[in-house]
Amino acid sequence: NAGVMQNPRHLVRRRGQEARLRCSPMKGHSHVYWYRQLPEEGLKFMVYLQKENIIDESGMPKERFSAEFPKEGPSILRIQQVVRGDSAAYFCASSPLSPYEQYFGPGTRLTVT
Amino acid sequence: GDSVTQMEGPVTLSEEAFLTINCTYTATGYPSLFWYVQYPGEGLQLLLKATKADDKGSNKGFEATYRKETTSFHLEKGSVQVSDSAVYFCALRINTGNQFYFGTGTSLTVIP
Repeated sequence: NAGVMQNPRHLVRRRGQEARLRCSPMKGHSHVYWYRQLPEEGLKFMVYLQKENIIDESGMPKERFSAEFPKEGPSILRIQQVVRGDSAAYFCASSPLSPYEQYFGPGTRLTVT
Repeated sequence: GDSVTQMEGPVTLSEEAFLTINCTYTATGYPSLFWYVQYPGEGLQLLLKATKADDKGSNKGFEATYRKETTSFHLEKGSVQVSDSAVYFCALRINTGNQFYFGTGTSLTVIP
């Protein structure tokens, strides 16, 4: 049973470009969570999604960030017009039920130049 | 608000030494407590958990006891190995909530 997959593992974008981060949950998991880890900080919750629904986006910045989890395909975290402060590691987790133990992917390291 | 504070690293130990990584928490509700481990290049893996006061989580020789009176969940291992070198994260989840709250992580290096 493959774990949570994230791609790309490393992403470099220039300021003003768009970044798209993908997360494929574990098989049978319909709940996805995105976290961000800024340098020297812990993981911070961003958003919780179920298939086709955003359940809790209390941790998402109000502008430039969006997330989706379509009926088919991976969950996508999209960052428009990236700035240097968006440089971080972005982790995705999935669970079969919520609240429940969350299984984490290896993360995507975004670098904005 | 809900938060976790854990011991800053990095920590360097010799093989077979005793390990303690401190973790304290602040919670508005009734939390479950977790330790996650991240090996180089990999995602976070659950190491152990405790869901109520006085519970002890244990796995792979690691232990942590949920202490409500001191709001702590310190991680311990009696004899570390080189293969334990990783970053360790303490986390909590309020039992009615969706999200985890993580500490900043403690990097452990074990030298032969």
